Amino acid sequence: EPEVTQTPSHQVTQMGQEVILRCVPISNHLYFYWYRQILGQKVEFLVSFYNNEISEKSEIFDDQFSVERPDGSNFTLKIRSTKLEDSAMYFCASSVGQGRTEAFFGQGTRLTVV
Amino acid sequence: AQSVAQPEDQVNVAEGNPLTVKCTYSVSGNPYLFWYVQYPNRGLQFLLKYITGDNLVKGSYGFEAEFNKSQTSFHLKKPSALVSDSALYFCAVRHLFNSGTYKYIFGTGTRLKVLA
Repeated sequence: EPEVTQTPSHQVTQMGQEVILRCVPISNHLYFYWYRQILGQKVEFLVSFYNNEISEKSEIFDDQFSVERPDGSNFTLKIRSTKLEDSAMYFCASSVGQGRTEAFFGQGTRLTVV
Repeated sequence: AQSVAQPEDQVNVAEGNPLTVKCTYSVSGNPYLFWYVQYPNRGLQFLLKYITGDNLVKGSYGFEAEFNKSQTSFHLKKPSALVSDSALYFCAVRHLFNSGTYKYIFGTGTRLKVLA
């Protein structure tokens, strides 16, 4: 069964450093998303991406965040200068369409900012 | 604003007994509702969805959910729980942006513990 894969599974970084979280969505999917889950809190939407551009982003997704689809398979989330409060589990997701189709999530990358 | 509520942080059930994990929603318009499950060190796995049609929706691993419009609920059920069903369960509602794209709004999650 096809699945969304994320690397690394765990990343520890120093405050102020840049991190790139990587995702390989399911191959025939067209819509891509990032969500995050701070420990003990809800899963929150960060950004959606379609046709090589951001479709929507939340208030969390400020200028420190960016997304890119550098080639036909990868989808990355970059945090330019990490803060302690960026520590969370980051989930990548993809869907073949919108509306009635469900999104498929990766296993997550746990980011720890120290 | 659209939202979902999962009133129970944890549900304990004996193996072989029926299980219910509760979810209520608040949406404007017709709701698109989803259940996801998260096993330890795994991502969110899709279980089932309600878009339209029959109020009883069947999904993966023997789970089903009942959509109740009058009670604005979408409870997850299984007739006979297995120890392997122990996991964190999330209810979600689809929020449609003006752009036509959507996001999920998740509940806080319910931890299901099935006791042998």
